[in-house]
Amino acid sequence: DAMVIQNPRYQVTQFGKPVTLSCSQTLNHNVMYWYQQKSSQAPKLLFHYYDKDFNNEADTPDNFQSRRPNTSFCFLDIRSPGLGDAAMYLCATSRDIAGGSSYEQYFGPGTRLTVT
Amino acid sequence: AQSVTQPDIHITVSEGASLELRCNYSYGATPYLFWYVQSPGQGLQLLLKYFSGDTLVQGIKGFEAEFKRSQSSFNLRKPSVHWSDAAEYFCAVRADGLTFGKGTHLIIQP
Repeated sequence: DAMVIQNPRYQVTQFGKPVTLSCSQTLNHNVMYWYQQKSSQAPKLLFHYYDKDFNNEADTPDNFQSRRPNTSFCFLDIRSPGLGDAAMYLCATSRDIAGGSSYEQYFGPGTRLTVT
Repeated sequence: AQSVTQPDIHITVSEGASLELRCNYSYGATPYLFWYVQSPGQGLQLLLKYFSGDTLVQGIKGFEAEFKRSQSSFNLRKPSVHWSDAAEYFCAVRADGLTFGKGTHLIIQP
């Protein structure tokens, strides 16, 4: 089945130690998103890739970076995790075409990040 | 800027009873609206969406939602809930990414 896969499902890192979260998709969608969801809160968009074009949300901290080496994969890098970065990180994809079409987003199961 | 309000943080419903979850949005143009459901520790699953056309949209698992432009609302309904419907429900409006409401936690009483 076509899907959005996130690895690992659970990640523990130390304060200040860089960590990378992975997302892959078999849907061949051209847009990939990263959301941060803290406990009992709504998901919040960090950034997205429209094809190869990176789009950062204005309030996303510089500590968060992303890479998309090809259509199928997208990575979230947290350069120096703080205790406040502990959250569920959700990857999503959509198939958008120029002109404003707005297809629904498909979410992966998420990676729960713990910072010790 | 777009925003979504879900006024009910928690709702408790008896199994077999009807359900309505409220959602109000603020968006300058024609909105693309979604309802997602999230079980504990899981990602989000799309229940239904509204882009245009018929204002009453049908979704999966017996859910439906009605878009009312005059009230800026997109309320989710289900005629008879099952215990497996207990979850967190998010309403969202689409701009670049999705802007979510804060969610409604649905509790099902036996």
